[in-house]
Amino acid sequence: KQEVTQIPAALSVPEGENLVLNCSFTDSAIYNLQWFRQDPGKGLTSLLLIQSSQREQTSGRLNASLDKSSGRSTLYIAASQPGDSATYLCAVWGYQKVTFGTGTKLQVIP
Amino acid sequence: DGGITQSPKYLFRKEGQNVTLSCEQNLNHDAMYWYRQDPGQGLRLIYYSQIVNDFQKGDIAEGYSVSREKKESFPLTVTSAQKNPTAFYLCASNKGDSTDTQYFGPGTRLTVL
Repeated sequence: KQEVTQIPAALSVPEGENLVLNCSFTDSAIYNLQWFRQDPGKGLTSLLLIQSSQREQTSGRLNASLDKSSGRSTLYIAASQPGDSATYLCAVWGYQKVTFGTGTKLQVIP
Repeated sequence: DGGITQSPKYLFRKEGQNVTLSCEQNLNHDAMYWYRQDPGQGLRLIYYSQIVNDFQKGDIAEGYSVSREKKESFPLTVTSAQKNPTAFYLCASNKGDSTDTQYFGPGTRLTVL
């Protein structure tokens, strides 16, 4: 059974700092891994999707990496801004099944 | 505007009642999904449908039912058999390919009184 863990559960950083969010998974037989952002009381917004054959994806200040062999993915946020404050979720897609992590709640302090 | 809509945003249910949550998409996606989100837990899959008139149970289907009569619509009924229905419910859709990103609706918060 796939298990997805996100550590830390919460993170508070000053504005402008670069930061890394972590996601680990137990079963490396995945199709892809996706990072989402969720604002309080809202749905999920897709940030980056990494196919199983890829090592990383970039979008603006965001960079996500994937190491299937070690069961790890990281989301790197450069020059953090208060608007980045949200909960960040990773999700792992296997055959006809998706498993979500519990998220990291990020607060960027002005 | 293309996207996924869910209604209502907030829903209150009395003990013993069935309630239905609406999910509509105009993205021409084949696949649609229902998730439940509880505090401190990851999203859990309730039901999914990859084609009209067909759907499969997810990890926590007990006490829930769905229908997929139209490509655009995938309503979820929370029945009285669901023991602890208070949660945030999220609907999503994609083209159906496992490599394709899922697009989420804004969610419905269900509270049992």
